[in-house]
Amino acid sequence: AQSVTQPDIHITVSEGASLELRCNYSYGATPYLFWYVQSPGQGLQLLLKYFSGDTLVQGIKGFEAEFKRSQSSFNLRKPSVHWSDAAEYFCAVGARGGSYIPTFGRGTSLIVHP
Amino acid sequence: ETGVTQTPRHLVMGMTNKKSLKCEQHLGHNAMYWYKQSAKKPLELMFVYSLEERVENNSVPSRFSPECPNSSHLFLHLHTLQPEDSALYLCASSQELAGGHNEQFFGPGTRLTVL
Repeated sequence: AQSVTQPDIHITVSEGASLELRCNYSYGATPYLFWYVQSPGQGLQLLLKYFSGDTLVQGIKGFEAEFKRSQSSFNLRKPSVHWSDAAEYFCAVGARGGSYIPTFGRGTSLIVHP
Repeated sequence: ETGVTQTPRHLVMGMTNKKSLKCEQHLGHNAMYWYKQSAKKPLELMFVYSLEERVENNSVPSRFSPECPNSSHLFLHLHTLQPEDSALYLCASSQELAGGHNEQFFGPGTRLTVL
């Protein structure tokens, strides 16, 4: 079965600074990978996803993520953070041909200082 | 309405009450899910429905009873809950169930407080 780890529970950045949120997965083959964002009082919204092909994936709201097979990672990045990016971020892993339910990480809470 | 809607958004109930949470998806999807989100805990998958048939029940206590009358509606019936059941209950849908690659669309959740 697949698993996913988000090693950082909280990340604090200043507005305008760059951001990288870490996600590591465990799976025997190339998985499907997702990043979701949850703003306060809201449900989860998909930011981006990786299925195959180009390992650098562009998403909404200026986010991107890079799949690195050698490191079993799918880190989320943004070059310049806005105060409205403060939210909870979830990485999720889906198995090819296996369990049809994506496995979610525990989430990383992003705090943005003015 | 678009996307996935959930009602009510907030619910306070006593341990002896019976209440229901409602989810509706306007996306034409075939799969629907209930998740429980508690503070400082990972997202917990509770139930999965595909074409109105329950395909997964993750050892959820019987005080939670799901119902899927059609592919657009999903209910979670609650009775004799415990204070530890207080959480945000999220409904989600996806186009299909199989394949592992399906993007899930989430509703805003129902914040449940059990007194």
